[in-house]
Amino acid sequence: RKEVEQDPGPFNVPEGATVAFNCTYSNSASQSFFWYRQDCRKEPKLLMSVYSSGNEDGRFTAQLNRASQYISLLIRDSKLSDSATYLCVVKGANFGNEKLTFGTGTRLTIIP
Amino acid sequence: EAQVTQNPRYLITVTGKKLTVTCSQNMNHEYMSWYRQDPGLGLRQIYYSMNVEVTDKGDVPEGYKVSRKEKRNFPLILESPSPNQTSLYFCASSLSRQGVNYEQYFGPGTRLTVT
Repeated sequence: RKEVEQDPGPFNVPEGATVAFNCTYSNSASQSFFWYRQDCRKEPKLLMSVYSSGNEDGRFTAQLNRASQYISLLIRDSKLSDSATYLCVVKGANFGNEKLTFGTGTRLTIIP
Repeated sequence: EAQVTQNPRYLITVTGKKLTVTCSQNMNHEYMSWYRQDPGLGLRQIYYSMNVEVTDKGDVPEGYKVSRKEKRNFPLILESPSPNQTSLYFCASSLSRQGVNYEQYFGPGTRLTVT
């Protein structure tokens, strides 16, 4: 089983729609969770951290379910500029390596 | 401007010819890391460094070397590249404090092709 699993998509969604992605992780001891965004042929960039109580940043909402070991990302009122690959990222509990474990990404295309 | 730089951005080389990919950050970060990204496999960590002269293996270290002689630089060395090292490579850096999550900043990537 992969450490972090995502539906690769692609998701083709009309502009203005709401879209949601899920991601599951295998290590129950994982402590930190993130969504990164990666544009085509570019480097990953942090979109948002995911907190236990859930958190929102504008049109983006992230949720964490520790019991079921999954993370979700909801994008409301999607824009053309939201087209990208969204990477689910997990960091372990060990101090000494800040290694991020990445999912393979979910590709999203917003259609005009 | 705070950034991570990598050079070269694109490299085509032949099997067995030693090469170095440089990585530099201007944010005074302690932590630096190298990842490779391959289709269907996501980003995988090659090596990391918690500070100067402190380096350790990640998940896929075979065929790679690193060094950390200065805080800002973390070069990736392929002593004898092979075609299975054809990949997109990213360097990343972050602050590092126990129990605190700091954003990792990635360089623009180096696309390496080994023929």
